[in-house]
Amino acid sequence: QKEVEQNSGPLSVPEGAIASLNCTYSDRGSQSFFWYRQYSGKSPELIMFIYSNGDKEDGRFTAQLNKASQYVSLLIRDSQPSDSATYLCAVNIPQAGTALIFGKGTTLSVSS
Amino acid sequence: EPEVTQTPSHQVTQMGQEVILRCVPISNHLYFYWYRQILGQKVEFLVSFYNNEISEKSEIFDDQFSVERPDGSNFTLKIRSTKLEDSAMYFCASSVRGGAEQYFGPGTRLTVT
Repeated sequence: QKEVEQNSGPLSVPEGAIASLNCTYSDRGSQSFFWYRQYSGKSPELIMFIYSNGDKEDGRFTAQLNKASQYVSLLIRDSQPSDSATYLCAVNIPQAGTALIFGKGTTLSVSS
Repeated sequence: EPEVTQTPSHQVTQMGQEVILRCVPISNHLYFYWYRQILGQKVEFLVSFYNNEISEKSEIFDDQFSVERPDGSNFTLKIRSTKLEDSAMYFCASSVRGGAEQYFGPGTRLTVT
């Protein structure tokens, strides 16, 4: 079954804190993993992608992938109010070809 | 920085009418996609297109839907006879290769009355 699971939130963190967003997926053969940010009424904006086990850092963002546990996470350091959005986990599952399967998203609220 | 563009930004149509949503993918990208997002729900895959043909489609993409690349830059989604439940945001996306990161356009909000 093609599934990507995320806690819907809201996840509330104070400004300057680390926000941790989690995602699990059901297809063990999945190869590519993506995090998108979506502001209300806007389109998904790609912020991170990861293909290999381990950590990948880009500025304040770190994506972590553990294929054995079928788990991918996104850490946002020094969270800012402008980071308040819905974060979508998307997975490329071999059975779906090149399509992305999205989770429902986690809403992050950063308070100043 | 190259972007995916979509027109129109908002389309209102009556049930049973045909609509065409237009997209211009990023110029050196080879894979093109349509997704939709019903209000409050998750982003859902509709169809992917590569080398001038459909490569994958979901169960949502039934005979009412079609896609076309009429020229070297545009990529269109046609809904032949719209239903109320087709009301959603429709996003076009493109990627340089299959399995790579996909970049989304701003979307077309389709409202069927």
